[in-house]
Amino acid sequence: EAGVAQSPRYKIIEKRQSVAFWCNPISGHATLYWYQQILGQGPKLLIQFQNNGVVDDSQLPKDRFSAERLKGVDSTLKIQPAKLEDSAVYLCASSLFSRSTDTQYFGPGTRLTVL
Amino acid sequence: AQKVTQAQTEISVVEKEDVTLDCVYETRDTTYYLFWYKQPPSGELVFLIRRNSFDEQNEISGRYSWNFQKSTSSFNFTITASQVVDSAVYFCALSEGGAAGNKLTFGGGTRVLVKP
Repeated sequence: EAGVAQSPRYKIIEKRQSVAFWCNPISGHATLYWYQQILGQGPKLLIQFQNNGVVDDSQLPKDRFSAERLKGVDSTLKIQPAKLEDSAVYLCASSLFSRSTDTQYFGPGTRLTVL
Repeated sequence: AQKVTQAQTEISVVEKEDVTLDCVYETRDTTYYLFWYKQPPSGELVFLIRRNSFDEQNEISGRYSWNFQKSTSSFNFTITASQVVDSAVYFCALSEGGAAGNKLTFGGGTRVLVKP
């Protein structure tokens, strides 16, 4: 079974530029998550989708971050404009549903460096 | 609010030694789930184990074992006979039941370095 796919793996941009990340979850998984992991810290949830609806985006900086999951499968996360503090690894995860018993499986992440 | 604390930031051992990772959590819920994930240098978070709050039985799976103690809110993880491939950052995580669904709160991670 294929795992969670993410691209690109690495991205370097200058501050105030825009960037987009792509995620393809495990086939059949209804729930998709985007996490931000700053160096030396644990991942922090940015947004959670159930199919193509948002379940939780309470920690998403909505003035510069946006995410969508059209058709309930692939998802994109965008940052516009980027700030230095956005340098981090952006992890995508998926689970069968949003129940407490559903384990989240993670992709390899996209490492973003903002100069 | 839920919180997960991993007091050990880095542990260094020699191959074949056992290593125990500490995890302390805070939650107001009576139903919750605890997880351990491994993050090797490649960056991908790999699911290792999951435990629910109703089952305090400690288990062993291969070289991994865990000690869940509700009375002290601890969920410790042990790697027996460590190998170089075990070198990674290990994260403890908590999800609460009910309306919170399966939102994960992670600890800060413990870096394990296994030297040959």
